[in-house]
Amino acid sequence: DAGITQSPRHKVTETGTPVTLRCHQTENHRYMYWYRQDPGHGLRLIHYSYGVKDTDKGEVSDGYSVSRSKTEDFLLTLESATSSQTSVYFCATGETSYEQYFGPGTRLTVT
Amino acid sequence: GQSLEQPSEVTAVEGAIVQINCTYQTSGFYGLSWYQQHDGGAPTFLSYNALDGLEETGRFSSFLSRSDSYGYLLLQELQMKDSASYFCAVSRQGGKLIFGQGTELSVKP
Repeated sequence: DAGITQSPRHKVTETGTPVTLRCHQTENHRYMYWYRQDPGHGLRLIHYSYGVKDTDKGEVSDGYSVSRSKTEDFLLTLESATSSQTSVYFCATGETSYEQYFGPGTRLTVT
Repeated sequence: GQSLEQPSEVTAVEGAIVQINCTYQTSGFYGLSWYQQHDGGAPTFLSYNALDGLEETGRFSSFLSRSDSYGYLLLQELQMKDSASYFCAVSRQGGKLIFGQGTELSVKP
Protein backbone atom coordinates (compact mmCIF):
# COMPACT_ATOMS: atom_id res chain seq x y z
CA ASP A 1 0.00 0.00 0.00
CA ALA A 2 1.08 3.55 -0.72
CA GLY A 3 2.07 5.48 2.37
CA ILE A 4 -0.49 8.26 2.42
CA THR A 5 -1.36 10.16 5.53
CA GLN A 6 -3.80 12.98 6.09
CA SER A 7 -3.86 15.49 8.89
CA PRO A 8 -5.88 16.30 10.81
CA ARG A 9 -8.18 13.28 10.74
CA HIS A 10 -11.01 15.19 12.37
CA LYS A 11 -11.63 18.92 12.65
CA VAL A 12 -14.43 21.14 13.82
CA THR A 13 -14.20 24.78 12.85
CA GLU A 14 -16.38 27.85 12.71
CA THR A 15 -17.83 29.52 9.65
CA GLY A 16 -15.50 32.11 8.18
CA THR A 17 -12.25 30.67 9.49
CA PRO A 18 -9.47 29.42 7.18
CA VAL A 19 -8.68 25.72 7.30
CA THR A 20 -5.72 23.81 5.85
CA LEU A 21 -5.70 20.05 5.33
CA ARG A 22 -2.44 18.24 4.66
CA CYS A 23 -1.74 15.18 2.56
CA HIS A 24 1.64 13.50 2.80
CA GLN A 25 2.91 10.61 0.66
CA THR A 26 6.05 8.52 0.84
CA GLU A 27 5.71 6.87 -2.59
CA ASN A 28 7.06 9.67 -4.78
CA HIS A 29 3.92 9.51 -6.91
CA ARG A 30 3.53 12.14 -9.60
CA TYR A 31 -0.18 12.80 -9.23
CA MET A 32 -1.95 13.98 -6.09
CA TYR A 33 -5.67 14.68 -5.71
CA TRP A 34 -8.16 16.12 -3.28
CA TYR A 35 -11.74 14.84 -3.27
CA ARG A 36 -14.74 15.48 -1.10
CA GLN A 37 -17.36 12.85 -0.41
CA ASP A 38 -20.93 13.66 0.55
CA PRO A 39 -23.99 11.41 0.72
CA GLY A 40 -25.55 11.05 -2.72
CA HIS A 41 -22.62 12.65 -4.53
CA GLY A 42 -19.89 10.04 -4.55
CA LEU A 43 -16.34 11.36 -4.79
CA ARG A 44 -15.99 14.80 -6.33
CA LEU A 45 -12.66 16.15 -7.48
CA ILE A 46 -11.68 19.48 -5.92
CA HIS A 47 -8.16 20.07 -7.22
CA TYR A 48 -5.31 17.93 -8.41
CA SER A 49 -1.59 18.18 -9.06
CA TYR A 50 0.48 16.60 -11.81
CA GLY A 51 3.82 17.75 -10.45
CA VAL A 52 5.47 20.14 -8.03
CA LYS A 53 3.83 23.54 -8.40
CA ASP A 54 1.59 22.18 -11.19
CA THR A 55 -2.05 22.13 -10.16
CA ASP A 56 -5.43 22.29 -11.83
CA LYS A 57 -9.06 22.65 -10.87
CA GLY A 58 -11.54 19.84 -10.54
CA GLU A 59 -15.34 19.76 -10.54
CA VAL A 60 -15.94 21.63 -7.27
CA SER A 61 -13.00 23.99 -6.80
CA ASP A 62 -14.82 27.16 -5.71
CA GLY A 63 -13.79 28.17 -2.19
CA TYR A 64 -10.72 25.93 -2.20
CA SER A 65 -7.08 26.45 -3.06
CA VAL A 66 -4.13 24.07 -3.14
CA SER A 67 -0.39 24.14 -3.06
CA ARG A 68 2.31 21.60 -3.79
CA SER A 69 5.82 22.84 -3.06
CA LYS A 70 7.28 19.37 -2.56
CA THR A 71 6.55 16.05 -4.23
CA GLU A 72 5.38 14.51 -0.99
CA ASP A 73 3.00 17.20 0.29
CA PHE A 74 -0.28 18.52 -1.10
CA LEU A 75 -2.16 21.11 0.92
CA LEU A 76 -5.84 21.96 0.60
CA THR A 77 -6.98 25.32 2.00
CA LEU A 78 -10.52 26.44 2.63
CA GLU A 79 -10.07 30.17 2.48
CA SER A 80 -13.19 31.00 4.52
CA ALA A 81 -15.00 27.88 5.63
CA THR A 82 -18.75 27.60 5.08
CA SER A 83 -21.25 25.04 6.34
CA SER A 84 -21.55 23.64 2.80
CA GLN A 85 -17.92 22.55 3.08
CA THR A 86 -18.75 20.14 5.88
CA SER A 87 -17.67 16.86 4.33
CA VAL A 88 -15.20 14.01 4.33
CA TYR A 89 -12.06 14.93 2.40
CA PHE A 90 -9.90 12.28 0.78
CA CYS A 91 -6.44 12.70 -0.62
CA ALA A 92 -5.21 10.30 -3.30
CA THR A 93 -1.95 9.74 -5.12
CA GLY A 94 -0.78 7.72 -8.10
CA GLU A 95 1.72 7.37 -10.90
CA THR A 96 -1.24 7.19 -13.24
CA SER A 97 -4.57 8.96 -13.04
CA TYR A 98 -6.57 5.75 -13.29
CA GLU A 99 -4.94 3.85 -10.41
CA GLN A 100 -5.03 5.99 -7.30
CA TYR A 101 -4.23 5.20 -3.69
CA PHE A 102 -6.36 6.94 -1.11
CA GLY A 103 -5.56 8.29 2.31
CA PRO A 104 -7.76 7.56 5.35
CA GLY A 105 -9.81 10.76 5.00
CA THR A 106 -10.40 13.88 7.06
CA ARG A 107 -13.81 14.53 8.55
CA LEU A 108 -14.41 18.30 8.59
CA THR A 109 -17.35 19.92 10.32
CA VAL A 110 -18.03 23.63 9.85
CA THR A 111 -20.40 25.06 12.47
CA GLY B 1 -20.21 18.14 -19.85
CA GLN B 2 -19.65 14.76 -18.34
CA SER B 3 -21.80 12.24 -16.54
CA LEU B 4 -21.63 8.72 -15.21
CA GLU B 5 -24.63 6.58 -14.38
CA GLN B 6 -24.61 3.51 -12.16
CA PRO B 7 -27.36 1.93 -10.05
CA SER B 8 -27.57 3.26 -6.52
CA GLU B 9 -28.18 -0.11 -4.88
CA VAL B 10 -27.82 -3.81 -5.74
CA THR B 11 -28.65 -6.78 -3.55
CA ALA B 12 -27.45 -10.36 -4.09
CA VAL B 13 -27.00 -13.57 -2.11
CA GLU B 14 -23.78 -15.15 -1.01
CA GLY B 15 -22.23 -17.33 -3.70
CA ALA B 16 -24.08 -15.63 -6.53
CA ILE B 17 -22.83 -13.47 -9.40
CA VAL B 18 -23.65 -9.78 -9.64
CA GLN B 19 -23.03 -7.24 -12.38
CA ILE B 20 -22.78 -3.50 -11.72
CA ASN B 21 -23.25 -1.39 -14.83
CA CYS B 22 -21.81 2.00 -15.63
CA THR B 23 -22.60 4.28 -18.55
CA TYR B 24 -20.70 7.46 -19.20
CA GLN B 25 -20.65 10.58 -21.28
CA THR B 26 -17.41 12.51 -21.36
CA SER B 27 -14.88 14.09 -23.65
CA GLY B 28 -11.22 13.11 -23.68
CA PHE B 29 -11.97 9.58 -22.46
CA TYR B 30 -8.96 7.41 -21.70
CA GLY B 31 -10.43 4.50 -19.76
CA LEU B 32 -12.72 3.22 -17.03
CA SER B 33 -11.64 2.34 -13.50
CA TRP B 34 -13.46 0.62 -10.65
CA TYR B 35 -13.01 1.24 -6.94
CA GLN B 36 -14.37 -0.40 -3.79
CA GLN B 37 -15.15 1.41 -0.55
CA HIS B 38 -16.13 -0.22 2.74
CA ASP B 39 -18.17 1.78 5.27
CA GLY B 40 -16.82 5.19 4.26
CA GLY B 41 -13.19 4.12 4.51
CA ALA B 42 -10.47 4.74 1.96
CA PRO B 43 -11.52 3.65 -1.55
CA THR B 44 -9.33 0.96 -3.07
CA PHE B 45 -8.53 0.37 -6.73
CA LEU B 46 -9.99 -2.77 -8.32
CA SER B 47 -9.45 -2.62 -12.07
CA TYR B 48 -8.91 -0.51 -15.16
CA ASN B 49 -10.00 -0.93 -18.77
CA ALA B 50 -8.50 1.19 -21.52
CA LEU B 51 -9.44 -1.14 -24.37
CA ASP B 52 -12.65 -2.94 -25.25
CA GLY B 53 -13.11 -6.31 -23.66
CA LEU B 54 -12.99 -8.17 -20.40
CA GLU B 55 -10.25 -7.94 -17.75
CA GLU B 56 -10.24 -10.62 -15.06
CA THR B 57 -8.67 -10.36 -11.63
CA GLY B 58 -9.60 -13.28 -9.44
CA ARG B 59 -13.30 -13.20 -8.59
CA PHE B 60 -13.69 -9.75 -10.12
CA SER B 61 -13.89 -8.94 -13.83
CA SER B 62 -14.41 -5.64 -15.59
CA PHE B 63 -15.67 -4.99 -19.10
CA LEU B 64 -15.56 -1.98 -21.39
CA SER B 65 -17.25 -1.11 -24.66
CA ARG B 66 -15.96 2.24 -25.87
CA SER B 67 -18.41 2.39 -28.77
CA ASP B 68 -21.35 2.04 -26.35
CA SER B 69 -19.79 4.22 -23.61
CA TYR B 70 -20.56 1.38 -21.24
CA GLY B 71 -18.78 -0.83 -18.79
CA TYR B 72 -19.53 -3.20 -15.97
CA LEU B 73 -17.95 -4.82 -12.95
CA LEU B 74 -18.71 -8.52 -12.47
CA LEU B 75 -18.32 -10.07 -9.05
CA GLN B 76 -18.43 -13.87 -8.85
CA GLU B 77 -18.77 -16.24 -5.90
CA LEU B 78 -20.03 -13.39 -3.76
CA GLN B 79 -18.88 -13.27 -0.16
CA MET B 80 -20.26 -11.28 2.75
CA LYS B 81 -17.09 -9.17 2.75
CA ASP B 82 -17.99 -7.94 -0.77
CA SER B 83 -20.73 -5.79 0.77
CA ALA B 84 -19.44 -2.31 0.00
CA SER B 85 -19.87 0.64 -2.32
CA TYR B 86 -18.48 0.31 -5.83
CA PHE B 87 -17.56 3.30 -7.97
CA CYS B 88 -16.86 3.52 -11.66
CA ALA B 89 -14.60 6.37 -12.70
CA VAL B 90 -13.56 7.75 -16.07
CA SER B 91 -9.96 8.65 -16.68
CA ARG B 92 -9.73 11.78 -18.76
CA GLN B 93 -7.10 13.67 -20.64
CA GLY B 94 -5.00 15.83 -18.37
CA GLY B 95 -4.88 13.49 -15.40
CA LYS B 96 -8.40 13.80 -14.06
CA LEU B 97 -10.42 10.90 -12.68
CA ILE B 98 -14.15 11.56 -12.45
CA PHE B 99 -16.22 9.24 -10.26
CA GLY B 100 -19.79 8.05 -10.50
CA GLN B 101 -22.05 8.31 -7.48
CA GLY B 102 -21.49 4.72 -6.45
CA THR B 103 -23.45 1.49 -6.15
CA GLU B 104 -24.07 0.07 -2.71
CA LEU B 105 -23.86 -3.72 -2.86
CA SER B 106 -25.52 -5.72 -0.12
CA VAL B 107 -24.68 -9.41 0.05
CA LYS B 108 -27.22 -11.50 1.97
CA PRO B 109 -26.62 -14.93 3.50
